[in-house]
Amino acid sequence: GDSVTQMEGPVTLSEEAFLTINCTYTATGYPSLFWYVQYPGEGLQLLLKATKADDKGSNKGFEATYRKETTSFHLEKGSVQVSDSAVYFCALSEAGKSTFGDGTTLTVKP
Amino acid sequence: DAGVIQSPRHEVTEMGQEVTLRCKPISGHNSLFWYRQTMMRGLELLIYFNNNVPIDDSGMPEDRFSAKMPNASFSTLKIQPSEPRDSAVYFCASSRLTGTDNEAFFGQGTRLTVV
Repeated sequence: GDSVTQMEGPVTLSEEAFLTINCTYTATGYPSLFWYVQYPGEGLQLLLKATKADDKGSNKGFEATYRKETTSFHLEKGSVQVSDSAVYFCALSEAGKSTFGDGTTLTVKP
Repeated sequence: DAGVIQSPRHEVTEMGQEVTLRCKPISGHNSLFWYRQTMMRGLELLIYFNNNVPIDDSGMPEDRFSAKMPNASFSTLKIQPSEPRDSAVYFCASSRLTGTDNEAFFGQGTRLTVV
């Protein structure tokens, strides 16, 4: 079945540091790929998405590129802020089912 | 649209009692998911429906858990009898079944505490 594997956390960075959270997937077809963010006490919110190979999703300074050849969708941000502290989930959607990674906790220190 | 609406937001109940969690998906969405989130096990998919039909309930922990979707605008997750280990945040999410706008939209969750 489909699966998503993402970088284990927690990740702790200083403000303005570069962020990468790795994500790889296994799917039988051609899924859509997503990054979700969860702030404390809230539900998951869509951060960005890509629906086909080589698409780049971007939002709030975060980017991720759909790499079919490496089955990856790594999340990057050039300069993180304290407000980016949250849990980040990589996910895919195929045939009506969403599959999520285990989540990576990011803490950004001033 | 108001988004995915879950009720109640918080529930505290005694062990052995029946608990019913409710979810109203986004209008026009035809996939609905129930998740459970804990510190120990992270985010777990319990069951999902397509067009009101349960497709995969392999994540439902045991027979004490049941879920229904009587129509496109309402779903319930019931725990009977509840146990302390059921304490968690339960999320409902909905999405479109097909097309590229198929991201999942999550409700705010129900925080269940069984004492």
